[in-house]
Amino acid sequence: DTGVSQDPRHKITKRGQNVTFRCDPISEHNRLYWYRQTLGQGPEFLTYFQNEAQLEKSRLLSDRFSAERPKGSFSTLEIQRTEQGDSAMYLCASSWGGEPQHFGDGTRLSIL
Amino acid sequence: AQSVTQPDIHITVSEGASLELRCNYSYGATPYLFWYVQSPGQGLQLLLKYFSGDTLVQGIKGFEAEFKRSQSSFNLRKPSVHWSDAAEYFCAVGPNAGNNRKLIWGLGTSLGVNP
Repeated sequence: DTGVSQDPRHKITKRGQNVTFRCDPISEHNRLYWYRQTLGQGPEFLTYFQNEAQLEKSRLLSDRFSAERPKGSFSTLEIQRTEQGDSAMYLCASSWGGEPQHFGDGTRLSIL
Repeated sequence: AQSVTQPDIHITVSEGASLELRCNYSYGATPYLFWYVQSPGQGLQLLLKYFSGDTLVQGIKGFEAEFKRSQSSFNLRKPSVHWSDAAEYFCAVGPNAGNNRKLIWGLGTSLGVNP
């Protein structure tokens, strides 16, 4: 069990640029979640995959955000035309069935 | 509405003192309850969970929590705090059935430990 891995750990970009984050879940986990966490807040749910199917998206996930999980393994979260308000920690979690979610260390996004 | 309330934004205790972090929830169905801990710049580590059965659950690092259905509470306790316990603590609630087990989180309680 190597844990949930997220890459990069930090991303600094200019407003208007596109960014992509990667999450590698624990290998046997079929469920994958993305959350966003801003300073002083708890995580907020963004989207959820069961295997390769994206089954739910939060209203927080505007049309500038897209997530994929090809082949039900790793997942990517892309943000197009970044805005100042996108600055946050993006957390990925995975689980097997209804078991508790295991979290990665997150990707911290800073928009200049 | 589904929500989690952690009334204390920040708590400071002395090393060796006991600790209780409060968590209240509002949830329509029978919840699955969690406490996670987050160190600065890190992800979230599961401390303990409650699904069913014994309402007093034991977790890692000497933590325990008690589920009180009548009070909609799931408070976290530790009898003797260590300096390494200084971190952010989050209470979360989720469904105990269904496919999407998305969690609803409190705002967190920041724990400081005085030597």
